[in-house]
Formats: sequence, C-alpha cells, structure tokens
Amino acid sequence: GAVVSQHPSWVICKSGTSVKIECRSLDFQATTMFWYRQFPKQSLMLMATSNEGSKATYEQGVEKDKFLINHASLTLSTLTVTSAHPEDSSFYICSASPTGSYNEQFFGPGTRLTVL
Amino acid sequence: QKEVEQDPGPLSVPEGAIVSLNCTYSNSAFQYFMWYRQYSRKGPELLMYTYSSGNKEDGRFTAQVDKSSKYISLFIRDSQPSDSATYLCAMSRIKAAGNKLTFGGGTRVLVKP
Repeated sequence: GAVVSQHPSWVICKSGTSVKIECRSLDFQATTMFWYRQFPKQSLMLMATSNEGSKATYEQGVEKDKFLINHASLTLSTLTVTSAHPEDSSFYICSASPTGSYNEQFFGPGTRLTVL
Repeated sequence: QKEVEQDPGPLSVPEGAIVSLNCTYSNSAFQYFMWYRQYSRKGPELLMYTYSSGNKEDGRFTAQVDKSSKYISLFIRDSQPSDSATYLCAMSRIKAAGNKLTFGGGTRVLVKP
C-alpha cells in the first residue's frame, strides 16, 4: 500500500521549453501533496505544498510563475517547469500525505530533469 | 545553524554489524519524528514513525527519541549490503494532515560484505 508514482522518470529538454511532471497516489487519496527538489548529495528541499482544489503554497525563494503546480484531484498533482533553463536541471520528487493521516508522507520515485 | 543536524557520513560498517544513526535538533516544538531510507536516484522510503520520547522497534530497526536532549537515533541490527543507502531523519511540529516536514541532511551508509 501507499504507492506514489511519478511520470516521467527522466526527461531531457531544450532550454526554453516547458516540462510537466505528474505525481499520482495509486492506492490512496491525498488531500495534500508536496514537491521537492534535490541536488546531488544534498537533502530534499521543499518547493511547494499542493492542496487539492486550491492554490499551492510556495516556499520562500521558489518562483511560482516558473514552477506551476496543479492539484486537480485527490490522486494527481502536476508540476510544470516553464521556460526551463540549465540551472533547473535537478531531481524532482513528489510526496503525498494520505487523507486523514498525520505527518506521514509517501514519496514518489523522482523525476530527473536535464535541460540542455 | 540548521534546525536539524545530521552527520553526512559516509558511515562504513561490515555486514552483520549494528548501524547507529542520529540527528539532533534545536526546536523543542518538534514532536513527530520519522526516518527515511533513500537509495541513489530513488525517492525516500518511510522506515519508522515515532511520537514523543521512547523507543519503537520494527524488525531490524529501532528508533529512539530523547526529547529532553533533542536527539533521535535509528539502529539497524544485522546490517546487510542492501541497507547501503542514505538515511534521512525528518520531523514535524504538529499533528496535522498535510503538515510540512523538516529534514536532516542525510547520512550515507555503506555496508561492506
């Protein structure tokens, strides 16, 4: 149980293009999902908290116009990196908190984004 | 100073040894404590979830929380090469749905056959 998937698992794109990453909770409903970014040999950096049916809450320093988050259903959240540049290359990981649970977060396998 | 401190390692142990990991934190408001395991280029996997001070055991894993010292530990008994990974501690202030976690920097563990 508590499986979270991400798609795609890796993506290479040209500078200036937009990339959409999907995060799905497969066997549970998640009112809240989180998006993290992780650089090599570093810990997770929370980018934003996504609540179903409402606007995402972004962490300080994260550009909301660049990283668009949509949480349209209780099992799906998407992160769109708009006008991607090489400095956006990173490992993006989502997590989902089951509706009715407290503090538990189950993570997806991550998406490796490389911007050329 | 970071809210949660964790030695980055690497921590190298022989197969079968006990792995001892720990985190210290500065904010006494943290009440919920978690340990995650992350393999290279994978998402973290929840190992242990504890509340307040005390011990919790699950198979080969034991989590300890000492709130008076602001110190948490994870012990892995009979370590296996498959335990080689990065271990992240995480903490939360309140019991709330969808609450943010504060992570430590992670400790890289290497179990040698």
